[in-house]
Amino acid sequence: EADIYQTPRYLVIGTGKKITLECSQTMGHDKMYWYQQDPGMELHLIHYSYGVNSTEKGDLSSESTVSRIRTEHFPLTLESARPSHTSQYLCASSAPRALNNEQFFGPGTRLTVL
Amino acid sequence: EDQVTQSPEALRLQEGESSSLNCSYTVSGLRGLFWYRQDPGKGPEFLFTLYSAGEEKEKERLKATLTKKESFLHITAPKPEDSATYLCAVSDDMRFGAGTRLTVKP
Repeated sequence: EADIYQTPRYLVIGTGKKITLECSQTMGHDKMYWYQQDPGMELHLIHYSYGVNSTEKGDLSSESTVSRIRTEHFPLTLESARPSHTSQYLCASSAPRALNNEQFFGPGTRLTVL
Repeated sequence: EDQVTQSPEALRLQEGESSSLNCSYTVSGLRGLFWYRQDPGKGPEFLFTLYSAGEEKEKERLKATLTKKESFLHITAPKPEDSATYLCAVSDDMRFGAGTRLTVKP
């Protein structure tokens, strides 16, 4: 069983608020990712990191920011939440030279911005 | 630009009725094709990685195959607990398809 955690699991917040979604993994993986997924739709990569102090933007333009100060921690921040940010956010990690190169996903944070 | 298309969007089967899901892709250089299973309200769970045309992998009632343009996920004699959304993704940047929602009725 994968050891990757996301908090909170559910968040309802008003427009304009600053929020941080937390993601932690205990597997020592270098690579970490953030995806956005609307109901019934594909996952879109919004940020990724290949290690400490490394962050890159993904294919989907996002107003969020990320940081990677510690290997195990990859938080995502929205400075000013808007209704268009309502979605599910999934965090994942992978080991760089694993046999299957698979990603391990957290349970997700379902964000609703009113 | 890499593209991944899955079909059908939804599939309803009777228990024991075998079928296949399709994942078509266009990538500049395939570095892996991945299959995941996603249950409602949860993150995807890894099933298989395929790296080269002709490769096949099996796990219980599932078998994944790969050609140069597409991959199939074959489900043999499915059970209700196989009901889920099945996702495929390509390459290191993990471009995902929209998934196939599979429902298996008892």
